[in-house]
Amino acid sequence: DAKTTQPTSMDCAEGRAANLPCNHSTISGNEYVYWYRQIHSQGPQYIIHGLKNNETNEMASLIITEDRKSSTLILPHATLRDTAVYYCIAWVVTQGGSEKLVFGKGTKLTVNP
Amino acid sequence: DGGITQSPKYLFRKEGQNVTLSCEQNLNHDAMYWYRQDPGQGLRLIYYSQIVNDFQKGDIAEGYSVSREKKESFPLTVTSAQKNPTAFYLCASSILRGGYTFGSGTRLTVV
Repeated sequence: DAKTTQPTSMDCAEGRAANLPCNHSTISGNEYVYWYRQIHSQGPQYIIHGLKNNETNEMASLIITEDRKSSTLILPHATLRDTAVYYCIAWVVTQGGSEKLVFGKGTKLTVNP
Repeated sequence: DGGITQSPKYLFRKEGQNVTLSCEQNLNHDAMYWYRQDPGQGLRLIYYSQIVNDFQKGDIAEGYSVSREKKESFPLTVTSAQKNPTAFYLCASSILRGGYTFGSGTRLTVV
């Protein structure tokens, strides 16, 4: 019941920008989109989140379309250490009314030398 | 420093034994979660708790049990009923509707 869809894998050259897309056409107007990444055998690491405005922090930028149906995570100058699985996720409200973040399989980003 | 701590990092279990994984947070987060991850797969939700003394089953709760007696602690017991327990287990916490903070994980192996 993931509310987001992402490509399975992407490649990027070291030093270039990595642009990771995510479709989330069914999220509601007050639901944030979160991005995490997971390097092999570690816990996922928070990157950034946003509602409708573009966001930037020291790690990445998040561009959200005006209709909020999709977003793009941008790593401006990818390094080899950015090789990881990147998850785009949103909150899901269960039938019982509780809430949880649902992780899909994410995008495996490989940064090549 | 605030954070979330999982222990142990590696755990070995004999078939038929129960084993408990520890998860402690000092972030004053209301909600806590347990996920299981198999090689090359995404995270699957086992159990979650949004308030002390209350918890809900996730997508793969069979063979697992939890308790939430304190806000800071959410231990996961892998019982003998879990037929394929070898996996990487991740604990997370959050404020309600906020981002997650994850622990560093426990790798459980059945020997």
